[in-house]
Amino acid sequence: QSVLTQPPSVSGAPGQRVTISCTGSSSNIGAGYGVHWYQHLPGTAPKLLIYSNTYRPSGVPDRFSGSKSGTSVSLAITGLQAEDEADYYCQSFDTSLSGMVFGGGTKLTVL
Amino acid sequence: QLQLHESGPGLVRPSETLSLTCTVSGASISNSDDYWGWIRQPPGKGLEWIGSIYHEGSTKYKPSLKSRVTISLDTSKNQFSLKLISLTAADTAVYYCARHMATHSWYVFGWGQGTLVTVSS
Repeated sequence: QSVLTQPPSVSGAPGQRVTISCTGSSSNIGAGYGVHWYQHLPGTAPKLLIYSNTYRPSGVPDRFSGSKSGTSVSLAITGLQAEDEADYYCQSFDTSLSGMVFGGGTKLTVL
Repeated sequence: QLQLHESGPGLVRPSETLSLTCTVSGASISNSDDYWGWIRQPPGKGLEWIGSIYHEGSTKYKPSLKSRVTISLDTSKNQFSLKLISLTAADTAVYYCARHMATHSWYVFGWGQGTLVTVSS
């Protein structure tokens, strides 16, 4: 049972837009802590896509964007490409655990 | 360029102790104002934070693992290490060492490639 909740899977056709939600509680997202998103391909290290809800590290395509509303945040991917097929994780800080928490991960399938 | 590399045994017996080392290049762990941590991923499951250490040696551990985990620094070798005792099959996972922010909700901006640890007799 993950502290942050994500849908197990999403899918979309090439060129389409998909969103992945991440819901927390008053001890993490609701307390104002930022949410970060990682892309994880099998056999590789996770890659930081979005940090602090909406910021993109240099080198990450602007097809990836983040947003926040209340205790829910979302990752949007536009112009889907086959290479986007991966697992996506949200992460934040939780005051109850005094540490890092992750969502359960969302598997993106590009149809 | 920051690089992290995990090393350690790939197979450990139940009830024994796992020791992993992360060698850092491209940054000094003693001068960094960030945390150095360990994150794992059991087969077919999601990412799980284990614990982190600050450059001055203070540590933070996931509460459910705290009684079994020790993270330490070796500044002379620019390495940090994980020790996990009393292993069970549930500890089978890919273990990643990582560098993360001490602020900004602890986002991770440096990862090792990961090392698979299997707990089995």
